[in-house]
Amino acid sequence: KNEVEQSPQNLTAQEGEFITINCSYSVGISALHWLQQHPGGGIVSLFMLSSGKKKHGRLIATINIQEKHSSLHITASHPRDSAVYICAVSDSGSEKLVFGKGMKLTVNP
Amino acid sequence: NAGVMQNPRHLVRRRGQEARLRCSPMKGHSHVYWYRQLPEEGLKFMVYLQKENIIDESGMPKERFSAEFPKEGPSILRIQQVVRGDSAAYFCASSPDRAGYGYTFGSGTRLTVV
Repeated sequence: KNEVEQSPQNLTAQEGEFITINCSYSVGISALHWLQQHPGGGIVSLFMLSSGKKKHGRLIATINIQEKHSSLHITASHPRDSAVYICAVSDSGSEKLVFGKGMKLTVNP
Repeated sequence: NAGVMQNPRHLVRRRGQEARLRCSPMKGHSHVYWYRQLPEEGLKFMVYLQKENIIDESGMPKERFSAEFPKEGPSILRIQQVVRGDSAAYFCASSPDRAGYGYTFGSGTRLTVV
């Protein structure tokens, strides 16, 4: 079993829809990261969370430490949001990241 | 304030050659991490370095791979005698401290072994 599980693996949405991407983890963590990767492109760090909720523009990230679960929400989705969204965790006591396999999001106009 | 700079962006090597991948961390960042993304797979940790020190190399293959982060200059990931299975995207990330705040990724080096 992977330490970090993401669901769904793929998602196709229509422009304007509200999107939720889920991440569950099985290890103790010091922080959880949400990352965005465009095809053939680099990786952009969207959020780093250790508790609660963070918001940046149309993106909202939440984490529930007790349930070992995080969600990334995209409001009013746009075709430029099409990318792979990756959840990663820092093991407690370690700085390295352990990654989920990513979720490929396609937003159609 | 440039981000994490990786070069080259694309690298083609023949089997048996050496590949050198360079990573210059963000200004003020002294912690460097290398990750590998194999085709159709997720990212995997390789090595964590601070200036002149390897802190954690638990993700590095035992042979042919080495990494360094000298006092001056970029961090280098070196792959000797490359094989087709080394073809992947190699990402470098840096952070200013152990807590991971400000974790920033480079654009990656895409290595193709022919």
